[in-house]
Amino acid sequence: GAVVSQHPSRVICKSGTSVKIECRSLDFQATTMFWYRQFPKQSLMLMATSNEGSKATYEQGVEKDKFLINHASLTLSTLTVTSAHPEDSSFYICSARAHEFRITEAFFGQGTRLTVV
Amino acid sequence: AQSVTQLGSHVSVSEGALVLLRCNYSSSVPPYLFWYVQYPNQGLQLLLKYTSAATLVKGINGFEAEFKKSETSFHLTKPSAHMSDAAEYFCAVGRDDKIIFGKGTRLHILP
Repeated sequence: GAVVSQHPSRVICKSGTSVKIECRSLDFQATTMFWYRQFPKQSLMLMATSNEGSKATYEQGVEKDKFLINHASLTLSTLTVTSAHPEDSSFYICSARAHEFRITEAFFGQGTRLTVV
Repeated sequence: AQSVTQLGSHVSVSEGALVLLRCNYSSSVPPYLFWYVQYPNQGLQLLLKYTSAATLVKGINGFEAEFKKSETSFHLTKPSAHMSDAAEYFCAVGRDDKIIFGKGTRLHILP
Protein backbone atom coordinates (compact mmCIF):
# COMPACT_ATOMS: atom_id res chain seq x y z
CA GLY A 1 0.00 0.00 0.00
CA ALA A 2 0.88 3.64 -0.21
CA VAL A 3 2.96 5.32 2.48
CA VAL A 4 1.86 8.19 4.67
CA SER A 5 4.46 9.74 6.91
CA GLN A 6 3.75 11.80 9.99
CA HIS A 7 6.25 14.02 11.76
CA PRO A 8 7.09 14.30 14.54
CA SER A 9 6.18 11.02 16.16
CA ARG A 10 6.38 12.59 19.60
CA VAL A 11 6.41 16.19 20.76
CA ILE A 12 6.37 17.87 24.14
CA CYS A 13 5.55 21.54 24.30
CA LYS A 14 4.86 24.15 26.92
CA SER A 15 1.38 25.38 27.61
CA GLY A 16 0.55 28.41 25.47
CA THR A 17 2.82 27.54 22.58
CA SER A 18 1.82 26.24 19.16
CA VAL A 19 2.78 22.91 17.66
CA LYS A 20 2.77 21.89 14.02
CA ILE A 21 2.30 18.28 12.88
CA GLU A 22 3.07 17.28 9.31
CA CYS A 23 1.42 14.58 7.25
CA ARG A 24 3.01 13.62 3.96
CA SER A 25 2.00 11.19 1.27
CA LEU A 26 5.28 9.77 0.01
CA ASP A 27 4.34 7.97 -3.17
CA PHE A 28 0.98 9.31 -4.27
CA GLN A 29 -0.86 12.58 -4.57
CA ALA A 30 -3.24 12.98 -1.67
CA THR A 31 -6.10 15.16 -2.76
CA THR A 32 -7.90 14.49 0.53
CA MET A 33 -6.45 14.21 4.00
CA PHE A 34 -8.17 13.45 7.27
CA TRP A 35 -7.09 14.31 10.78
CA TYR A 36 -8.09 12.20 13.77
CA ARG A 37 -7.60 12.58 17.49
CA GLN A 38 -7.35 9.69 19.91
CA PHE A 39 -7.63 10.05 23.66
CA PRO A 40 -5.96 7.39 25.82
CA LYS A 41 -7.68 4.04 25.54
CA GLN A 42 -10.38 5.49 23.33
CA SER A 43 -11.33 5.41 19.69
CA LEU A 44 -10.26 7.71 16.90
CA MET A 45 -12.43 10.78 16.47
CA LEU A 46 -12.43 12.49 13.11
CA MET A 47 -11.51 16.13 13.53
CA ALA A 48 -11.51 17.45 10.00
CA THR A 49 -11.26 16.69 6.31
CA SER A 50 -9.09 18.76 4.03
CA ASN A 51 -8.94 18.87 0.26
CA GLU A 52 -5.90 20.26 -1.47
CA GLY A 53 -6.27 23.96 -2.10
CA SER A 54 -9.49 24.30 -0.10
CA LYS A 55 -10.43 25.15 3.45
CA ALA A 56 -10.76 22.22 5.77
CA THR A 57 -14.16 20.94 6.81
CA TYR A 58 -14.31 20.48 10.56
CA GLU A 59 -16.47 18.01 12.43
CA GLN A 60 -19.00 19.31 14.89
CA GLY A 61 -17.43 20.39 18.14
CA VAL A 62 -13.91 20.84 16.79
CA GLU A 63 -12.53 24.36 17.21
CA LYS A 64 -11.23 25.48 13.84
CA ASP A 65 -9.29 28.37 15.36
CA LYS A 66 -7.62 25.99 17.75
CA PHE A 67 -6.72 23.31 15.25
CA LEU A 68 -5.49 24.95 12.07
CA ILE A 69 -5.29 22.68 9.06
CA ASN A 70 -3.41 23.56 5.91
CA HIS A 71 -3.37 21.41 2.78
CA ALA A 72 -1.35 23.54 0.42
CA SER A 73 0.10 20.79 -1.74
CA LEU A 74 -0.88 17.36 -2.98
CA THR A 75 1.62 15.68 -0.70
CA LEU A 76 1.51 17.69 2.49
CA SER A 77 -1.07 18.63 5.09
CA THR A 78 -0.29 20.23 8.42
CA LEU A 79 -2.19 20.42 11.67
CA THR A 80 -1.22 23.27 13.98
CA VAL A 81 -2.43 23.15 17.56
CA THR A 82 -2.49 26.79 18.60
CA SER A 83 -2.03 28.01 22.15
CA ALA A 84 -1.79 24.45 23.36
CA HIS A 85 -3.06 23.46 26.78
CA PRO A 86 -2.68 20.22 28.72
CA GLU A 87 -6.14 19.10 27.61
CA ASP A 88 -4.88 19.12 24.02
CA SER A 89 -2.49 16.32 24.91
CA SER A 90 -3.49 13.42 22.73
CA PHE A 91 -2.50 11.11 19.90
CA TYR A 92 -3.11 12.68 16.49
CA ILE A 93 -3.30 10.54 13.35
CA CYS A 94 -3.63 11.61 9.75
CA SER A 95 -4.99 9.69 6.80
CA ALA A 96 -4.69 10.42 3.10
CA ARG A 97 -6.23 9.26 -0.14
CA ALA A 98 -5.92 10.13 -3.79
CA HIS A 99 -8.78 11.62 -5.75
CA GLU A 100 -9.24 8.64 -8.00
CA PHE A 101 -9.54 6.26 -5.11
CA ARG A 102 -12.54 5.50 -3.01
CA ILE A 103 -12.45 5.85 0.73
CA THR A 104 -11.39 2.20 0.82
CA GLU A 105 -7.98 3.31 -0.28
CA ALA A 106 -7.18 5.72 2.52
CA PHE A 107 -3.83 5.22 4.20
CA PHE A 108 -2.87 6.17 7.73
CA GLY A 109 0.20 7.77 9.20
CA GLN A 110 1.89 6.42 12.30
CA GLY A 111 0.55 9.12 14.57
CA THR A 112 1.96 11.91 16.70
CA ARG A 113 1.92 11.84 20.48
CA LEU A 114 1.47 15.41 21.73
CA THR A 115 2.12 16.18 25.38
CA VAL A 116 1.49 19.69 26.63
CA VAL A 117 3.12 20.52 29.95
CA ALA B 1 -26.19 7.61 9.50
CA GLN B 2 -23.82 4.74 9.17
CA SER B 3 -21.95 3.63 12.25
CA VAL B 4 -20.40 0.57 13.82
CA THR B 5 -20.79 -0.97 17.25
CA GLN B 6 -18.12 -3.18 18.71
CA LEU B 7 -19.36 -5.57 21.36
CA GLY B 8 -16.96 -5.92 24.24
CA SER B 9 -14.30 -3.36 25.06
CA HIS B 10 -12.03 -6.17 26.29
CA VAL B 11 -11.73 -9.74 25.07
CA SER B 12 -9.40 -12.35 26.53
CA VAL B 13 -8.52 -15.61 24.82
CA SER B 14 -5.94 -18.26 25.49
CA GLU B 15 -3.00 -18.67 23.17
CA GLY B 16 -4.02 -21.09 20.43
CA ALA B 17 -7.74 -20.49 20.91
CA LEU B 18 -10.18 -18.96 18.48
CA VAL B 19 -10.31 -15.19 18.33
CA LEU B 20 -13.74 -13.62 17.74
CA LEU B 21 -14.19 -9.87 17.82
CA ARG B 22 -17.69 -8.62 17.16
CA CYS B 23 -18.78 -5.70 15.05
CA ASN B 24 -22.25 -4.70 13.93
CA TYR B 25 -22.99 -1.94 11.49
CA SER B 26 -26.02 0.21 10.92
CA SER B 27 -26.63 1.08 7.32
CA SER B 28 -29.46 1.08 4.85
CA VAL B 29 -27.13 0.09 2.05
CA PRO B 30 -24.12 -2.23 2.04
CA PRO B 31 -21.29 -0.14 3.40
CA TYR B 32 -17.56 -0.28 3.15
CA LEU B 33 -16.27 -1.97 6.30
CA PHE B 34 -12.79 -2.24 7.75
CA TRP B 35 -10.86 -3.84 10.57
CA TYR B 36 -7.73 -2.10 11.83
CA VAL B 37 -5.22 -3.11 14.49
CA GLN B 38 -3.30 -0.70 16.68
CA TYR B 39 -0.30 -1.62 18.80
CA PRO B 40 0.61 0.63 21.75
CA ASN B 41 1.76 4.11 20.73
CA GLN B 42 1.56 3.24 17.07
CA GLY B 43 -0.66 4.10 14.16
CA LEU B 44 -3.22 1.92 12.49
CA GLN B 45 -2.60 -1.11 10.37
CA LEU B 46 -5.31 -2.29 8.00
CA LEU B 47 -6.18 -5.93 8.60
CA LEU B 48 -8.86 -6.28 5.96
CA LYS B 49 -11.71 -4.48 4.24
CA TYR B 50 -15.08 -5.31 2.75
CA THR B 51 -15.96 -3.62 -0.50
CA SER B 52 -18.89 -5.83 -1.60
CA ALA B 53 -16.73 -8.04 -3.80
CA ALA B 54 -16.93 -11.09 -1.52
CA THR B 55 -18.66 -11.69 1.78
CA LEU B 56 -15.73 -13.61 3.30
CA VAL B 57 -12.72 -11.37 3.44
CA LYS B 58 -9.26 -12.66 4.22
CA GLY B 59 -6.75 -10.31 5.71
CA ILE B 60 -3.24 -10.25 7.01
CA ASN B 61 -1.83 -12.24 9.92
CA GLY B 62 -4.40 -15.01 9.52
CA PHE B 63 -7.42 -12.84 10.24
CA GLU B 64 -10.66 -12.97 8.30
CA ALA B 65 -14.11 -11.44 8.55
CA GLU B 66 -17.47 -12.36 7.14
CA PHE B 67 -20.01 -9.80 6.00
CA LYS B 68 -23.50 -10.96 6.96
CA LYS B 69 -26.17 -8.66 5.70
CA SER B 70 -28.98 -10.52 7.49
CA GLU B 71 -27.23 -9.94 10.80
CA THR B 72 -25.65 -6.58 9.88
CA SER B 73 -22.42 -8.00 11.21
CA PHE B 74 -18.77 -8.03 10.23
CA HIS B 75 -17.10 -10.09 12.93
CA LEU B 76 -13.34 -10.62 12.91
CA THR B 77 -11.95 -14.09 13.51
CA LYS B 78 -8.65 -15.91 13.69
CA PRO B 79 -8.49 -19.68 14.23
CA SER B 80 -5.53 -19.69 16.59
CA ALA B 81 -4.43 -16.75 18.71
CA HIS B 82 -0.78 -15.79 19.09
CA MET B 83 0.72 -13.70 21.83
CA SER B 84 1.63 -11.14 19.18
CA ASP B 85 -2.08 -10.59 18.45
CA ALA B 86 -2.50 -8.67 21.71
CA ALA B 87 -3.51 -5.18 20.61
CA GLU B 88 -6.44 -2.83 20.12
CA TYR B 89 -8.77 -3.67 17.23
CA PHE B 90 -11.06 -1.18 15.55
CA CYS B 91 -13.98 -1.86 13.30
CA ALA B 92 -14.74 1.03 10.97
CA VAL B 93 -17.20 2.04 8.29
CA GLY B 94 -16.79 4.19 5.21
CA ARG B 95 -19.39 6.94 5.35
CA ASP B 96 -19.73 10.12 3.28
CA ASP B 97 -16.23 9.64 2.00
CA LYS B 98 -14.89 9.37 5.56
CA ILE B 99 -13.84 6.47 7.76
CA ILE B 100 -15.69 6.36 11.08
CA PHE B 101 -14.35 4.13 13.82
CA GLY B 102 -15.97 2.00 16.46
CA LYS B 103 -14.87 2.29 20.07
CA GLY B 104 -12.36 -0.49 19.81
CA THR B 105 -11.78 -3.85 21.48
CA ARG B 106 -8.68 -4.63 23.45
CA LEU B 107 -7.58 -8.20 22.79
CA HIS B 108 -5.67 -9.93 25.57
CA ILE B 109 -3.89 -13.21 24.94
CA LEU B 110 -3.51 -15.51 27.93
CA PRO B 111 -0.50 -17.84 28.01
